[in-house]
This record gives sequence, structure tokens and C-alpha cells, in this order.
Amino acid sequence: EVQLVESGGDLIQPGGSLRLSCAASGFTFSSFEMSWVRQAPGKGLEWLSYIYSSGSPIHYADSVKGRFTISRDNAKNSLYLQMNSLRVEDTAVYYCARERDHSGSGSYGFDYWGQGTLVTVSS
Amino acid sequence: DIQMTQSPSSLSTSVGDRVTITCRASQSITTYLNWYQQKPGKAPKLLIYAASSLQSGVPSRFSGSGSGTDFTLTISSLQPEDFATYYCQQSYGTLYTFGQGTKLEMK
Repeated sequence: EVQLVESGGDLIQPGGSLRLSCAASGFTFSSFEMSWVRQAPGKGLEWLSYIYSSGSPIHYADSVKGRFTISRDNAKNSLYLQMNSLRVEDTAVYYCARERDHSGSGSYGFDYWGQGTLVTVSS
Repeated sequence: DIQMTQSPSSLSTSVGDRVTITCRASQSITTYLNWYQQKPGKAPKLLIYAASSLQSGVPSRFSGSGSGTDFTLTISSLQPEDFATYYCQQSYGTLYTFGQGTKLEMK
């Protein structure tokens, strides 16, 4: 059974840093592209970042570029999101998601999602 | 960046109704369009990928169509468990974006 389990969410002050983790199981993690998606309270979904199965290329939404860093450790079946210079507007549930498939021109959706981890940025 | 405009933002509907949700991209995304269902407190669930392909395990009352910039999600006969929020997502190129969501409410 495919499972994605996020951890690392916390209450953090503005300007602080946090590292989220996503533990994958039930599939060959090293064969799949992965993304982070977030959802602010009562709001819609926002895609944040994508990492290829091998670790590169990597892409970011403009809203987090330069502040967030995605990485993965295929030996540990784990995906990470390092979040620096956190802002109040980064408050959200953060999901890791597996890409169903990928072609040269794009992706075929996220077929598995974790349960999410809550990040609250507040003083 | 490609913007996605989803409509309507909410819809009052009844069990048995045929429901149509539309999504428009700001530029052509060929068929790199996916649809998700999300229930409160839960992660999104993939319904349709590549504009019209039904994800495994999803009931056949869900269907998708479109290409280029205009896309549609149709629920042929709404069931009680379908009251949820639906999102489109474009996945063309390297930067992905979601529509703002459509919430189906009971009439």
C-alpha cells in the first residue's frame, strides 16, 4: 500500500526556519517525481515545488522561490522541504504528493497524497 | 505563469443532478489538465488526469473533456458522497497551478 507521511509541522515565529519531511513507503520512491502542495486555512490548493526522481531538475512557485528548498534522499525514501524566512502567509497545511506519471511536456497529476502537516507562522 | 480560472466557485445542487464545472487556462496546456476532489480535513483525491482519463477506482459518473484552454468536469448523476470541493490543476511544463476550486453544496 502506497503511503506518504508528512512530519515537521510546528508553530514558528515570522522569519524562522522549519524542515518538513515526507516518508514514503509501498512503492519504488526513486522512480517517481514528487511535489509539495500547501493549503492555507479555508483556502485553495497551491503547488509549491517539484523534484525529479533523480533529484534534478527542481522547480519552484514564485511565492517560495529563494526561501524554500526541496530535496530528497532516495536511499531513505524521503522527501524534504526546507523553509526559511517564514512569513505569516506561509501558514498552511503542507502536503507531499506523488506524480502519477511524467512526460517530457508535463505531469499526469498527483495520484497519492500524504495526510498533511500544519505549519503555523505567528508571533 | 499559467493562470487557471475555474467556475462556478460554488454550486447548489441535488442528488441525481448532472453537474458541470469548467476550467479555463490562460494559455494552451494541450491536455495537461487534472481534476481533484477534496473533502473537509482530507487530502485531495485525483479523479481525472490528462483532461479525460479516469483515475483507477474512480466511479464512471465522473468524466472530463477539453483541450487547449477550455476544460470540463462532469458528474453525470450526483451522489451524496460527491458533495465536496473540486479543483482543476494544470501540469504543463515545469510550473503547476490549481484553479480556485468549486464547492458543491446541497440545495
